[in-house]
Amino acid sequence: KQEVTQIPAALSVPEGENLVLNCSFTDSAIYNLQWFRQDPGKGLTSLLLIQSSQREQTSGRLNASLDKSSGRSTLYIAASQPGDSATYLCAVRTDSWGKLQFGAGTQVVVTP
Amino acid sequence: EPEVTQTPSHQVTQMGQEVILRCVPISNHLYFYWYRQILGQKVEFLVSFYNNEISEKSEIFDDQFSVERPDGSNFTLKIRSTKLEDSAMYFCASRQEGADTQYFGPGTRLTVL
Repeated sequence: KQEVTQIPAALSVPEGENLVLNCSFTDSAIYNLQWFRQDPGKGLTSLLLIQSSQREQTSGRLNASLDKSSGRSTLYIAASQPGDSATYLCAVRTDSWGKLQFGAGTQVVVTP
Repeated sequence: EPEVTQTPSHQVTQMGQEVILRCVPISNHLYFYWYRQILGQKVEFLVSFYNNEISEKSEIFDDQFSVERPDGSNFTLKIRSTKLEDSAMYFCASRQEGADTQYFGPGTRLTVL
C-alpha cells in the first residue's frame, strides 16, 4: 500500500533563506509526482509536476527533484519571501485514472 | 486562465440531511475527481469519473455517496443522510485528456451539525 510522508511537518525560516521540503513514498510504481501549495482555508494550487521518468523540474524560484528508486522528492524554493508562507503538499499519481495520494504537507512560515 | 469553480463555498447541514456539492470543471477537461480533507488530516481521494461513469472509487465512497454529470458543464457530489464525520473540505479537480496536471477548485467546506 502506498504511503506518502512529508518531513518536516512545519518549518520557519527568515526571508531570503532557501527552503528545502521533503516528500517520500513507499511504492516506486508511480506515474508522476505533483507539488501543490495550499493557503489556509483555500484550494490546492499546482506548482510543479514531475513525470516518473524525469529527475528534475524547474519553474522560476522552484525546483523539484525526483529519485523514484529511493522513493524521494525534494522541493527547493530559492530566496524565500513572506508570500511563500503556506502549506506545501506532495502527491503521487498511482494509477491510469489519475488518482492522487497525498502527503500530510509541510507548513512553511517565512518571517520578514 | 480557466479555473475549476465550486459552489457553495460553505454548506451547513443537519445530520441525516442530503447535500449536493457542485463543481464546474475546466471546459475541455474530461477527467473529474472528488477529494476530501478532514480538518488536520491528509487530502483523501474519493472518486474519479470519465466518460459519464465512475472509473475508480475509494473505500470511503460507499452507497452514501454518488456523483453525476447532469449537463455539459456541472459535476456534482451527493451525500445522502449526512453524518458528523462527513464534515470536511470537499475538493473537485479536473484533468485534460492526454495531460497529467490536475487542477483543483477552491473547495466546499461542509459542516454537519
